[in-house]
Amino acid sequence: DVKVTQSSRYLVKRTGEKVFLECVQDMDHENMFWYRQDPGLGLRLIYFSYDVKMKEKGDIPEGYSVSREKKERFSLILESASTNQTSMYLCASSLRGAFYEQYFGPGTRLTVT
Amino acid sequence: AQSVAQPEDQVNVAEGNPLTVKCTYSVSGNPYLFWYVQYPNRGLQFLLKYITGDNLVKGSYGFEAEFNKSQTSFHLKKPSALVSDSALYFCAVAPLNSGYSTLTFGKGTMLLVSP
Repeated sequence: DVKVTQSSRYLVKRTGEKVFLECVQDMDHENMFWYRQDPGLGLRLIYFSYDVKMKEKGDIPEGYSVSREKKERFSLILESASTNQTSMYLCASSLRGAFYEQYFGPGTRLTVT
Repeated sequence: AQSVAQPEDQVNVAEGNPLTVKCTYSVSGNPYLFWYVQYPNRGLQFLLKYITGDNLVKGSYGFEAEFNKSQTSFHLKKPSALVSDSALYFCAVAPLNSGYSTLTFGKGTMLLVSP
């Protein structure tokens, strides 16, 4: 079974802190994704990566950056956390190709106070 | 740009009754279509997808969905609902010729199955 793991289930940070969210997949998938999920807004794509060191902006990249130094690992960075970044963050991975399903991690619920 | 509409925020159904969760989409050209389910405090799980071929697609846990190109719809169905089907359901679309594998998700529909 494909497994996608995220470094924390729950995280509480203060405004202005630098926050790292890490995601690891074990199925040698080329593609990795970071989404945020907010009630009534569904899932919105923040960034995705289709290869090591490659990244593309999604729909809401402002305030976020990403890093993919190894194929299995994709990190989301909040350079200076703000309260409007309080959300559920979901990581996913997939094989290359739009017809392949994405596999999701359990999510990280981030609260910024 | 592609979009997905899930017109119902919540669907209520009694256990044993058939259920339908609606999804319509907008995309240039032909679509790839997906349904995912999210149980409380969990990530999303893949249910089924339409790529090409038969318009009726069968997936996990007894769910199926019908692709209707003329109505640009991909409604999720199950003949007999279970209380354990209560969850948040997301429809998603990707264009057939998309260079990258990005999906556009709907806002989600909460399905509540009462005993």
